Amino acid sequence: EAQVTQNPRYLITVTGKKLTVTCSQNMNHEYMSWYRQDPGLGLRQIYYSMNVEVTDKGDVPEGYKVSRKEKRNFPLILESPSPNQTSLYFCASGTGSPYNSPLHFGNGTRLTVT
Amino acid sequence: AQSVAQPEDQVNVAEGNPLTVKCTYSVSGNPYLFWYVQYPNRGLQFLLKYITGDNLVKGSYGFEAEFNKSQTSFHLKKPSALVSDSALYFCAVTPGDDKIIFGKGTRLHILP
Repeated sequence: EAQVTQNPRYLITVTGKKLTVTCSQNMNHEYMSWYRQDPGLGLRQIYYSMNVEVTDKGDVPEGYKVSRKEKRNFPLILESPSPNQTSLYFCASGTGSPYNSPLHFGNGTRLTVT
Repeated sequence: AQSVAQPEDQVNVAEGNPLTVKCTYSVSGNPYLFWYVQYPNRGLQFLLKYITGDNLVKGSYGFEAEFNKSQTSFHLKKPSALVSDSALYFCAVTPGDDKIIFGKGTRLHILP
């Protein structure tokens, strides 16, 4: 089944403890991206990647890192999480630029930083 | 600044009635426009997109959207609402680069 898989679905951590949220897609998509969803703010793009070893900042990249060493994986790294990073995170992938290619989303990771 | 506006946080419609979820955008050039739907505890799912051509776009689950260039709008519509249409709907626009801008979302409640 074609899908975008995020892990974990739920994560509770403490301020400053490094964490990684994994994202994997099995559709051989070139484009991958991360978003955070907050009430009243909708989805905001954190980082995106057009292909292996190519990453770019979205609208809210501060406090986050990403890497794209393989086509299928695009992990989101929080080196020193803070409470304002408590949010619902989504990974998405697409065949090409979102300019004309619909995105396929994972089911989300709910992160709580205390 | 480029943006997408969904002016209604929530829309309530009786089952069987037509529904409209509004979206306006402020983007230079000729953007591509999308609608996505989010069901509880799930990621967003693609509904439909407008690129060029016919201003009325048909998508999944009986939804359609009307593009109006002069009003910079892309309203989502369905002739007859179902209770199962209750969900969170997002309008999105791609300005022509590799980014995508989402609206804040509109929660649609279909009342039985």
